[in-house]
Amino acid sequence: AQSVTQLDSQVPVFEEAPVELRCNYSSSVSVYLFWYVQYPNQGLQLLLKYLSGSTLVESINGFEAEFNKSQTSFHLRKPSVHISDTAEYFCAVSEWNTGKLIFGQGTTLQVKP
Amino acid sequence: DGGITQSPKYLFRKEGQNVTLSCEQNLNHDAMYWYRQDPGQGLRLIYYSQIVNDFQKGDIAEGYSVSREKKESFPLTVTSAQKNPTAFYLCASSIGGTGNQPQHFGDGTRLSIL
Repeated sequence: AQSVTQLDSQVPVFEEAPVELRCNYSSSVSVYLFWYVQYPNQGLQLLLKYLSGSTLVESINGFEAEFNKSQTSFHLRKPSVHISDTAEYFCAVSEWNTGKLIFGQGTTLQVKP
Repeated sequence: DGGITQSPKYLFRKEGQNVTLSCEQNLNHDAMYWYRQDPGQGLRLIYYSQIVNDFQKGDIAEGYSVSREKKESFPLTVTSAQKNPTAFYLCASSIGGTGNQPQHFGDGTRLSIL
């Protein structure tokens, strides 16, 4: 069975500082990995995805994540955060044949001025 | 604009009452999903449907029911058998219902008990 663990429930950081949100997964088969972001009282928005190919994937707003098969990790990073990045971030792995998403517990990123 | 519409945004249920949450998409997606979100627990899958007139139970289907009579619609009924229904419910869809297709989410329905 697949599972996802997000190692930090809350990450406080000052504006313009770098941040890393950690995600580890467990799977016996090839995986597709996703990061989603959720702003208060809204649905989830896709931030970035790893399907195959380059292990480093980037989003349009400066986030990046690196797929590390040996460490079964998919950590999310940003070199300089903004107040507007304050949100909850979810890491997820999908089942290849159904598209079902298995989510981590979420990490709340709190960016302070 | 294409997207997923969930209604209502807020819903209140009385004891012993069934309530239905609406989910409509105009993305022409084949697959649709229902998730339940509780604080600190991430999202858990209730039901999913990869094609019209077919659906499958997810991890926490007890106390819920769905139908998929039209491609664009996937309503979720929270029955009186669901003893702890207070949660944020999210509907999602994807093009083909396979793992390499990202899911698109609606803005959710928050259900509370009166």
